[in-house]
Amino acid sequence: NAGVTQTPKFQVLKTGQSMTLQCAQDMNHNSMYWYRQDPGMGLRLIYYSASEGTTDKGEVPNGYNVSRLNKREFSLRLESAAPSQTSVYFCASSEGTSAVGEQFFGPGTRLTVL
Amino acid sequence: GENVEQHPSTLSVQEGDSAVIKCTYSDSASNYFPWYKQELGKRPQLIIDIRSNVGEKKDQRIAVTLNKTAKHFSLHITETQPEDSAVYFCAASTSGNTPLVFGKGTRLSVIA
Repeated sequence: NAGVTQTPKFQVLKTGQSMTLQCAQDMNHNSMYWYRQDPGMGLRLIYYSASEGTTDKGEVPNGYNVSRLNKREFSLRLESAAPSQTSVYFCASSEGTSAVGEQFFGPGTRLTVL
Repeated sequence: GENVEQHPSTLSVQEGDSAVIKCTYSDSASNYFPWYKQELGKRPQLIIDIRSNVGEKKDQRIAVTLNKTAKHFSLHITETQPEDSAVYFCAASTSGNTPLVFGKGTRLSVIA
């Protein structure tokens, strides 16, 4: 049981390049989330998927797109990377039933945009 | 929408002393309040949570209290140890389909 996995662990991009961050969970969770973490800013929600087939914007969605590929996988795409997107990105998942419960986080992706 | 404020942003304590971190929330419909610990370079991990039908919950050296009337909740760590040094985040949520809203975090340093 790997929990939540993310690839890649590290990435360096040039301004304007695109990339996709991959996330997968093996806990049969319904809900999945993408956060970014910047110093002093805590964890800010980018997008989330409450259930397979649905996606919704979070607090900071500009410059990002997401795809809930199936129940296991939730990807985050940067179409044209900007230096302001330099951050650590965490994917998370939770059961997503009516009773709220623990969110499990992946190990994170450290992205640098030059 | 929900807004969670967390204080202090940094906290230094001597080993063996207690540490208290406080959070306030704005949405009276919130009913789930978890606390996450994030060690340097690692992912956030749940250490304790409390639901709105409970006023206090303890797990060994860690306790959380909730005051729904005042809309605030607190994390208490007793007999602190160097391995308690980390960033702690509080959060709030209203239901299983609603994302957690996190506070900005508290960096706790335990000085040996």
